Amino acid sequence: AQSVTQLGSHVSVSEGALVLLRCNYSSSVPPYLFWYVQYPNQGLQLLLKYTTGATLVKGINGFEAEFKKSETSFHLTKPSAHMSDAAEYFCAVSEGSNDYKLSFGAGTTVTVRA
Amino acid sequence: NAGVTQTPKFQVLKTGQSMTLQCAQDMNHEYMSWYRQDPGMGLRLIHYSVGAGITDQGEVPNGYNVSRSTTEDFPLRLLSAAPSQTSVYFCASGGTGDNYGYTFGSGTRLTVV
Repeated sequence: AQSVTQLGSHVSVSEGALVLLRCNYSSSVPPYLFWYVQYPNQGLQLLLKYTTGATLVKGINGFEAEFKKSETSFHLTKPSAHMSDAAEYFCAVSEGSNDYKLSFGAGTTVTVRA
Repeated sequence: NAGVTQTPKFQVLKTGQSMTLQCAQDMNHEYMSWYRQDPGMGLRLIHYSVGAGITDQGEVPNGYNVSRSTTEDFPLRLLSAAPSQTSVYFCASGGTGDNYGYTFGSGTRLTVV
């Protein structure tokens, strides 16, 4: 069975600073990996996903993530934080194209300081 | 294009009551799932379906039933509500191939008193 660990339940960054959210996974097969964002009182919105191919994945709102198999990691970054990036972020994993059972991390809440 | 629609958005139940959370999708997705979200625990899978007439249990199925009679609808039934079922519930539907990945509904916030 797969699992996800998100390091840091809260991250605070200054506006314009780098955003780095850490995600490590375990999976018995090549994983599919996802980052979702949740704004207050809303559902989850897909930021980006890795399935196969290029290991650096670009998503919406200037976010990107890199799949590193040797480190079992899929960290999310954004070069310059905006106030609108304040939200909760979830990393998730599934075991490939025939598996729709997503396992989620506990989430990381991002606050952006002016 | 409505995507995934959940109703109701809010609900308060008394312990022991039953209710059905509705979920409908208009994307012709085969895969649908129910998750619950609790603080500090991320989202946990309750039940899922890989097509009409096919359902299976997820990580936390106890106290919940599902059925899938059509591609579009995937209702979640609480049989006898308990305070431990106070949570936010999300329904999601999944595409295949290049569209692999789930689309989530906006959630139902349930309080059991």
